[in-house]
Amino acid sequence: QSVLTQPPSASGTPGQRVTVSCSGSSSNIGSNYVYWFQQLPGTAPKLLIYRNNQRPSGVPDRFSGSKSGTSASLAISGLRSEDEAEYYCAAWDDSLSGVVFGGGTKLAVL
Amino acid sequence: EVQLLESGGGLVQPGGSLRLSCAASGFTFRHYAMTWVRQAPGKGLEWVSGISGSGEKTYYADSVKGRFTVSRDNSKNTVYLQVNSLRADDTAVYYCAKVGGITAAGTGNFDYWGQGTLVTVSS
Repeated sequence: QSVLTQPPSASGTPGQRVTVSCSGSSSNIGSNYVYWFQQLPGTAPKLLIYRNNQRPSGVPDRFSGSKSGTSASLAISGLRSEDEAEYYCAAWDDSLSGVVFGGGTKLAVL
Repeated sequence: EVQLLESGGGLVQPGGSLRLSCAASGFTFRHYAMTWVRQAPGKGLEWVSGISGSGEKTYYADSVKGRFTVSRDNSKNTVYLQVNSLRADDTAVYYCAKVGGITAAGTGNFDYWGQGTLVTVSS
């Protein structure tokens, strides 16, 4: 049981916009930045979004993040086949004094 | 170019120990905190431990506290994870990652990751 809650799966067709949600509590998302990671099959995770809505250099602007209260969302617009991956949210948890991850959302591009 | 190369994984019996290493290059190692994250087969990501740039501050997940020890040697640009009293549920790929800042606390800003090293705990 993960501290942050994500839907286990999501899907969309090429060109569509999809969103992935991440729900937490006041001790994590409610009081700290949210981070998003993309993990392509068989590879290490990659930082996709930092500090709620910032993109590292090289990440396409099709990816965007937002946060409101104790929830956060990752949006992917102009969906492409190469976006098929597992997506994880993460945040520092003040009560646990550690980083907590969501359980991951497997995105399928149909 | 930032590179992180983990090593030290392998097959170990329950109760056994291993020392995982992560050799870093491409950045000023002592200026950045480092972290360890693991992923059990077919499962999600689990944060394990973090260490500040100086090595003075360390942090652990409750699931490994008292069994795992993180350390670093800034002269060798290497971070270590000593894993003791291993259990079957410690079986996972262990990733080291660079933290985008000097402190390992208060952030999940893991901006570069290694390819991981597999630890298998089985008799």
